[in-house]
Amino acid sequence: AQKVTQAQTEISVVEKEDVTLDCVYETRDTTYYLFWYKQPPSGELVFLIRRNSFDEQNEISGRYSWNFQKSTSSFNFTITASQVVDSAVYFCALSEATGNQFYFGTGTSLTVIP
Amino acid sequence: AAGVIQSPRHLIKEKRETATLKCYPIPRHDTVYWYQQGPGQDPQFLISFYEKMQSDKGSIPDRFSAQQFSDYHSELNMSSLELGDSALYFCASSLGLLNLGNTIYFGEGSWLTVV
Repeated sequence: AQKVTQAQTEISVVEKEDVTLDCVYETRDTTYYLFWYKQPPSGELVFLIRRNSFDEQNEISGRYSWNFQKSTSSFNFTITASQVVDSAVYFCALSEATGNQFYFGTGTSLTVIP
Repeated sequence: AAGVIQSPRHLIKEKRETATLKCYPIPRHDTVYWYQQGPGQDPQFLISFYEKMQSDKGSIPDRFSAQQFSDYHSELNMSSLELGDSALYFCASSLGLLNLGNTIYFGEGSWLTVV
């Protein structure tokens, strides 16, 4: 079973629009960690954020914000005022305290149209 | 800040040949991971090492092997290459194991094309 689900395969938005990328996870652990990575067309995987399961405080970093809700097992990522440089594939990922695995979602390909 | 260094960045090999990818983790990082990412797919875990010992094994083919050396760099050896091995290979490193919530930092990847 997929531990991390990113239901949106592809999203296209016009520049300056806001966009939310969904991530739903599944785990039986009470302690776990959630991540977002960005993969631009050049291919590298860039770390964006890490969240602990015991810290539900939402986070904002510039135009990026993350909404962590344990009640719905979701860790959504919002980009406000999107820019062309935001075009990339975004991966949500999970690691658990009881293992040493890193589970990726299938990624959401975001295209920002100028 | 120093990142994970991978070499070569691009590699073209013929079927049945052998290829070796190298990875230099972030300084002081003791854990190294190898991932394979096919076109349009998410990265698939191959193998990891912690303190120079194999830590976990994923979907790594028997034709592939890897090791972590005393200086913590790692090499992924791929033999009897097949067309399906064409992919982007990532090395990643972390300070400590994942179950402690450590973050994995990825290199820029090595593009392997088998022709």
